[in-house]
Amino acid sequence: GAVVSQHPSWVICKSGTSVKIECRSLDFQATTMFWYRQFPKQSLMLMATSNEGSKATYEQGVEKDKFLINHASLTLSTLTVTSAHPEDSSFYICSASGGTSGGASRTDTQYFGPGTRLTVL
Amino acid sequence: RKEVEQDPGPFNVPEGATVAFNCTYSNSASQSFFWYRQDCRKEPKLLMSVYSSGNEDGRFTAQLNRASQYISLLIRDSKLSDSATYLCVVNVLGAQKLVFGQGTRLTINP
Repeated sequence: GAVVSQHPSWVICKSGTSVKIECRSLDFQATTMFWYRQFPKQSLMLMATSNEGSKATYEQGVEKDKFLINHASLTLSTLTVTSAHPEDSSFYICSASGGTSGGASRTDTQYFGPGTRLTVL
Repeated sequence: RKEVEQDPGPFNVPEGATVAFNCTYSNSASQSFFWYRQDCRKEPKLLMSVYSSGNEDGRFTAQLNRASQYISLLIRDSKLSDSATYLCVVNVLGAQKLVFGQGTRLTINP
């Protein structure tokens, strides 16, 4: 149980285009989803926290108009990188927590998606 | 000062060796502690939670020292499959977010 998927797993795009990444909790309802970014040889950095049905809370230094987050349902959150540039190339990972799955509470653990590798040319 | 600090390594040890990682955290309000493992180009996966009394899971032992704000992970009888980056992760009381250390890279050599 507690499976989180991401789509696409990798994407290559031209500079200036927008890219949408989906994060889905497959077997539980995720009241909270998190979006992270990881540059090579660095650790995960939290970009934003989103609760279902409300606006995302962005970490300091993350541009909310550039990284649009939507968490419209308990099983889906999307991150849209608008007008992507080469410096946005990174590994984007989502995680989800909340609800129950298989009879167990999922509110105290984050379950990570497999990540999306974005390369902007 | 970083919220969670780890020695980035890399650590190169022979198969069968015992290896220990250390981690310090700066926020005394930190409540939950974890070790995650991340393989190259993959997402992090929970290895184990860390409890105040210390806990063991097979070859892995985690310890927490709240007074010193220090967490450790010990791997005994290391296997080739233990090669990965080990992330120290902390959750602050009242906050949902996890704070990740930069990770310690471990390579087990045959």
